[in-house]
Amino acid sequence: GAVVSQHPSWVICKSGTSVKIECRSLDFQATTMFWYRQFPKQSLMLMATSNEGSKATYEQGVEKDKFLINHASLTLSTLTVTSAHPEDSSFYICSASYSTNYGYTFGSGTRLTVV
Amino acid sequence: DAKTTQPTSMDCAEGRAANLPCNHSTISGNEYVYWYRQIHSQGPQYIIHGLKNNETNEMASLIITEDRKSSTLILPHATLRDTAVYYCIVRPRNTGTASKLTFGTGTRLQVTL
Repeated sequence: GAVVSQHPSWVICKSGTSVKIECRSLDFQATTMFWYRQFPKQSLMLMATSNEGSKATYEQGVEKDKFLINHASLTLSTLTVTSAHPEDSSFYICSASYSTNYGYTFGSGTRLTVV
Repeated sequence: DAKTTQPTSMDCAEGRAANLPCNHSTISGNEYVYWYRQIHSQGPQYIIHGLKNNETNEMASLIITEDRKSSTLILPHATLRDTAVYYCIVRPRNTGTASKLTFGTGTRLQVTL
């Protein structure tokens, strides 16, 4: 149980285009989901907290107009990278907590390459 | 949230126990210690968590010192598939599902033949 499905697993896009990444909780409801970004050989950096039915909370230094987050239902959050540039190439990972004091479950990640 | 310190890397021979230390000297009484691991190009995987008592599950054991300022994750019989980056994270208890996890740099465990 407690599975988070992330799609696509990888995507290549042209510079200037937008890319949407989906994160679904398959067997539980998630009022909150988290989006991370990871560059090669670095740790996960939290980008934003996605809240169902309300605006996302962005970490300092993350451009909210560039990384659009929508959490329209209790099982789906989407991250849209708008006007992508090569420096946006990274590994994007979503997660959600399924229990107050238990662990978090993570998606398998999306590797974005902007060419 | 309390800060954690881990060695950058460790090696372990296959079949031997892997002992991964974590220092969290500023941990407060209401904070749990969580361990996750990330195998290359995958999302992090939950391993175990604890508050003050030692914990064991099918994956690992967690030993927390009496003063709670440090802990050790033990993989009793490491295999090549345990090669990953292991993250020790401290998180407050009873904060609901909206509490974020902050990752440090972790320990890169290399299991060798």
